[in-house]
Amino acid sequence: SQQGEEDPQALSIQEGENATMNCSYKTSINNLQWYRQNSGRGLVHLILIRSNEREKHSGRLRVTLDTSKKSSSLLITASRAADTASYFCATVTTGNTPLVFGKGTRLSVIA
Amino acid sequence: DSGVTQTPKHLITATGQRVTLRCSPRSGDLSVYWYQQSLDQGLQFLIQYYNGEERAKGNILERFSAQQFPDLHSELNLSSLELGDSALYFCASSTMGGTNEKLFFGSGTQLSVL
Repeated sequence: SQQGEEDPQALSIQEGENATMNCSYKTSINNLQWYRQNSGRGLVHLILIRSNEREKHSGRLRVTLDTSKKSSSLLITASRAADTASYFCATVTTGNTPLVFGKGTRLSVIA
Repeated sequence: DSGVTQTPKHLITATGQRVTLRCSPRSGDLSVYWYQQSLDQGLQFLIQYYNGEERAKGNILERFSAQQFPDLHSELNLSSLELGDSALYFCASSTMGGTNEKLFFGSGTQLSVL
């Protein structure tokens, strides 16, 4: 069963623009993680944000977490063609189950 | 390169058959996870092992089984295969299997059941 749900399902932007992806989840979480998947390849961890954190940065990535709204957002600034990939949010619930993934957002960055 | 090795990369088989997927975790990682990715179901958690013991179970069918060996590699066995089992199967590993750890994914095994 899906815990997280990403929005939009697909996003197409021009190189240099910012890309924002959102994730909503259903139950209380321990932490939320974002992963990236290039077509047909394995997932790569991007960032982890704990339930008591509100914002984290890593390079061109900015993640926010709003536990009252059960939502998170991933912002990629100054996007590049190489950022083209699917992006997944994944949650660890307070029941400490392993990561449960959403269905992802497909990002296309056009050069 | 994540350091997680999965073999084979591709597997084509027929309905009713049995296959074994293999995973070697990153050096030093004690926990292994199996996920199934399909277009309609997304990425589904199947099972987690920690140091040879089953730690958590997800949506794993009774036709599927897994184990983690003393050298920490893991195998996922899929039997009585059906067309709907066609999917990308990922193995991931983490150091201690803790909830605040990130997972390192292998490149997956693409299973096609014909």
